[in-house]
Amino acid sequence: GAGVSQSPSNKVTEKGKDVELRCDPISGHTALYWYRQSLGQGLEFLIYFQGNSAPDKSGLPSDRFSAERTGGSVSTLTIQRTQQEDSAVYLCASSLGGTRGNTIYFGEGSWLTVV
Amino acid sequence: AQTVTQSQPEMSVQEAETVTLSCTYDTSENNYYLFWYKQPPSRQMILVIRQEAYKQQNATENRFSVNFQKAAKSFSLKISDSQLGDTAMYFCALIQGAQKLVFGQGTRLTINP
Repeated sequence: GAGVSQSPSNKVTEKGKDVELRCDPISGHTALYWYRQSLGQGLEFLIYFQGNSAPDKSGLPSDRFSAERTGGSVSTLTIQRTQQEDSAVYLCASSLGGTRGNTIYFGEGSWLTVV
Repeated sequence: AQTVTQSQPEMSVQEAETVTLSCTYDTSENNYYLFWYKQPPSRQMILVIRQEAYKQQNATENRFSVNFQKAAKSFSLKISDSQLGDTAMYFCALIQGAQKLVFGQGTRLTINP
């Protein structure tokens, strides 16, 4: 696609429910990233994919968080048993990968509110 | 560990003025990249400018330029002839490891008419 696409744009869920956030990267981009941005805060790295594998998942805050990527394209971030502190904007990004100098392009994010 | 620090939480200037946003960083790597991203209310992070550490010449993109001081580990962004559309959060970022961006806390810039 023309840009990084994320869905849903906004999600309100009850505490304890599971949520899935989807990211469709730019066509041809092999690298995909998930970041979390809490209100008024900077961006916190969650996980990085190169193709379908995740060489760096060091930022996942707990075992309630998981992510997968299939076909080297779409990625899903799953949060199980959501807590109020999970409320944040979840940003997905992609790049051509291969070298660290490639520009990383971001989607518009999924705004998650846990009530 | 790599860190990025933005010491100005908020800034405000009049339209057409020049404004400089500061950023300092720490890294043990010799070859790295630095970025400034803009985040308007729409939430989408937009790349403003990038600098390769091994290049001494400061990057420029139209009204945006950087002052890259490698020895001091400083990477400031200068916006000339500021416009109302420049109002946004601005994040300084450093590429770490294979491809992981490390961000500063951001500076909220307001351009007043």
